[in-house]
Amino acid sequence: RKEVEQDPGPFNVPEGATVAFNCTYSNSASQSFFWYRQDCRKEPKLLMSVYSSGNEDGRFTAQLNRASQYISLLIRDSKLSDSATYLCVVNMGRGSTLGRLYFGRGTQLTVWP
Amino acid sequence: NAGVTQTPKFQVLKTGQSMTLQCAQDMNHNSMYWYRQDPGMGLRLIYYSASEGTTDKGEVPNGYNVSRLNKREFSLRLESAAPSQTSVYFCASSEFPGGQPQHFGDGTRLSIL
Repeated sequence: RKEVEQDPGPFNVPEGATVAFNCTYSNSASQSFFWYRQDCRKEPKLLMSVYSSGNEDGRFTAQLNRASQYISLLIRDSKLSDSATYLCVVNMGRGSTLGRLYFGRGTQLTVWP
Repeated sequence: NAGVTQTPKFQVLKTGQSMTLQCAQDMNHNSMYWYRQDPGMGLRLIYYSASEGTTDKGEVPNGYNVSRLNKREFSLRLESAAPSQTSVYFCASSEFPGGQPQHFGDGTRLSIL
């Protein structure tokens, strides 16, 4: 079983739409959670951390459900520039094994005019 | 520009050849990482170094060795390249020991024939 599973998409939405991605993780003791975005043939870039109480950064909202072991990313008022692959990342390390970050395979988003 | 610098950007090797991928960061970050990214697989951690002087295996360490030469530099060595190691390799860094990657290099596209 893959440690981090993502809805593969692709998602094709019009500008202005709201879109949500989900991600599940296997290790209930996972410590921290993140969303990255990756443009085509570019390096990943950290988008935002995911906090237990949920958090927002402009049009982006991230949520964590520890009981069900999933995280989500909501994008409101989609822009053309949001087109990218969104990667879910879970740190399953503890103590001396911190750094064991697992990436999901990514969800591809295309926003069309 | 400040950040993570990887060299080379592209490389073609023959099976059995060896080579070292270089990575340097100028942000005084503690942790450094090597990932590989294959189509449909997402990023997988090869090795990481939570702090200067320490290295640990990730998900897919077989066939690779690493050296944390100093705080700035973290190299990845393929002793005897195999076609299965054809991939895009990313180096990343984090100011937090074992923390999530905050900056990635541009990647090295490696083909092994």
